[in-house]
Amino acid sequence: GAVVSQHPSRVICKSGTSVKIECRSLDFQATTMFWYRQFPKQSLMLMATSNEGSKATYEQGVEKDKFLINHASLTLSTLTVTSAHPEDSSFYICSARDVLIGRGDYEQYFGPGTRLTVT
Amino acid sequence: SQQGEEDPQALSIQEGENATMNCSYKTSINNLQWYRQNSGRGLVHLILIRSNEREKHSGRLRVTLDTSKKSSSLLITASRAADTASYFCAVDSSYKLIFGSGTRLLVRP
Repeated sequence: GAVVSQHPSRVICKSGTSVKIECRSLDFQATTMFWYRQFPKQSLMLMATSNEGSKATYEQGVEKDKFLINHASLTLSTLTVTSAHPEDSSFYICSARDVLIGRGDYEQYFGPGTRLTVT
Repeated sequence: SQQGEEDPQALSIQEGENATMNCSYKTSINNLQWYRQNSGRGLVHLILIRSNEREKHSGRLRVTLDTSKKSSSLLITASRAADTASYFCAVDSSYKLIFGSGTRLLVRP
């Protein structure tokens, strides 16, 4: 199956700094990518939908000025956590959609996740 | 935003037993998918069932979908200790994949 990579896998940063997480589709072009966050022992919460060449669409309650998303190419989307605080510590997972596979279904692939710890 | 609830939240069974997890959702869907996640790891796609399908099998997995009740179930037969993980349903609605709350499964050897 298709592969989605994330970098870095783990990052520790100080409160007040910004952190950039990269998400790449390695062997397919993804017009749409998604960013999720997951707190310990909880489910994945969709943060935003990112379309190549246009502004991301954020879910209700997600601060777009804090979580900057850039989908500059068909294989790369980045999430920047600006002015990070300890409450932003979480597991961030990206996902990318591949081409239509029939009857309106898409194949969606998930990256391995990035664990962010803000101290 | 989360689509719905899964139950049970946690399930502990003996190796060899069957495990059943249920998922309910709120909106119309294109399809419903089940994923597995080992602690602190990424997601593994298990199975996709389309809105016009009622049942699907893949190895030891059996998924049912009842769109009239907006619910789905995942059955894992003859469970193994290696099946210990969290299981999530996710509904594809409005071109977004929204996850349920998850079931933590523990299979005791």
